[in-house]
Amino acid sequence: ELKVEQNPLFLSMQEGKNYTIYCNYSTTSDRLYWYRQDPGKSLESLFVLLSNGAVKQEGRLMASLDTKARLSTLHITAAVHDLSATYFCAVGWFADDKIIFGKGTRLHILP
Amino acid sequence: DTEVTQTPKHLVMGMTNKKSLKCEQHMGHRAMYWYKQKAKKPPELMFVYSYEKLSINESVPSRFSPECPNSSLLNLHLHALQPEDSALYLCASSQEVVLIGEKLFFGSGTQLSVL
Repeated sequence: ELKVEQNPLFLSMQEGKNYTIYCNYSTTSDRLYWYRQDPGKSLESLFVLLSNGAVKQEGRLMASLDTKARLSTLHITAAVHDLSATYFCAVGWFADDKIIFGKGTRLHILP
Repeated sequence: DTEVTQTPKHLVMGMTNKKSLKCEQHMGHRAMYWYKQKAKKPPELMFVYSYEKLSINESVPSRFSPECPNSSLLNLHLHALQPEDSALYLCASSQEVVLIGEKLFFGSGTQLSVL
């Protein structure tokens, strides 16, 4: 069964702190996505990771992928209030067009 | 143009109504998707069209009927819906999967309420 698990599901943190969101998936995947969603809004693509050891960074967010461990991380450095949102990881396979989402991590950054 | 456009943005319908959701993209993407998202839940895959042909149907009830008239358009026809079908319906598109850095682009969604 295809499973994509994120943790934590809810995170409240103070500005200036660092934290990591974890995404585990159950079967070998070809690509791993990270998305951001603000309340009542659609999903914004953050990163696409395609290979083992891939690391991508944009601003205070850095995503990495370990395909052997079936694990991706989204690291937040020196968090700011504007990063408050729900973050989803999603996993896709080249064999078909299916892309499955994790449950999401609701991130609340306190000013 | 890097947008996926969905209409309408909001829709309220009765259980006996027939309505359609529309999605349009002009990025030359060959795959288009319908997702359903309940409040505070992740998006759930409903349908995938690849090269205008239905490639994935995630056991969605027949009261939801997708249609892909051409490579730029994707419709979702709704008939005899139930109140539990109320959700945000998201359309997305993507390029060929073999391209490096391929992303899934989402529309802004249609917030559907079934009374």
